[in-house]
Amino acid sequence: KAGVTQTPRYLIKTRGQQVTLSCSPISGHRSVSWYQQTPGQGLQFLFEYFSETQRNKGNFPGRFSGRQFSNSRSEMNVSTLELGDSALYLCASSLNPSSNYEQYFGPGTRLTVT
Amino acid sequence: GQQLNQSPQSMFIQEGEDVSMNCTSSSIFNTWLWYKQDPGEGPVLLIALYKAGELTSNGRLTAQFGITRKDSFLNISASIPSDVGIYFCAALNNDMRFGAGTRLTVKP
Repeated sequence: KAGVTQTPRYLIKTRGQQVTLSCSPISGHRSVSWYQQTPGQGLQFLFEYFSETQRNKGNFPGRFSGRQFSNSRSEMNVSTLELGDSALYLCASSLNPSSNYEQYFGPGTRLTVT
Repeated sequence: GQQLNQSPQSMFIQEGEDVSMNCTSSSIFNTWLWYKQDPGEGPVLLIALYKAGELTSNGRLTAQFGITRKDSFLNISASIPSDVGIYFCAALNNDMRFGAGTRLTVKP
């Protein structure tokens, strides 16, 4: 069974631009969560989607948004990029909402904002 | 958000030694998980624990879900060089919280 895939793997953007990251969950997994990982803050929860609906949202500004499609694939968007948005963005999928099932992570998208 | 306190922050050990790391929280969680992350990759699930007091093994790895549901530990026995990486604990209620990670270095 293929794992979680994320595209692109690496991205370089400049301040003020916007970016869209994509995540394809493991086949059969319907819940997708997004995380930001930085050396200083560690892994921080962004949001979770299940059945095309956002279930939970972390403490991030409104510049960070996401969506989920009917095939469970998910995208996250960051608008008006700031230098501090440079991070590894990780997507994780699980069978059902994360309160009951373990999550499996993708390799991440390394975003660099210059 | 709710923090998980993971310790130690880093460990430098000799190949063959056993390793122990733990996570604690002031809140109760329903599920504890342990992940390993290699450089440039996402975390890989090692062990999932669902019941207080549960002790689970995966090869040389053993983890326990604390009886109070506020802590968990991970042991690695007879470490080998490929054990090098960052180990994260995570705990679940409505969303997932992570510890800051334990960076493990194994000297051959």
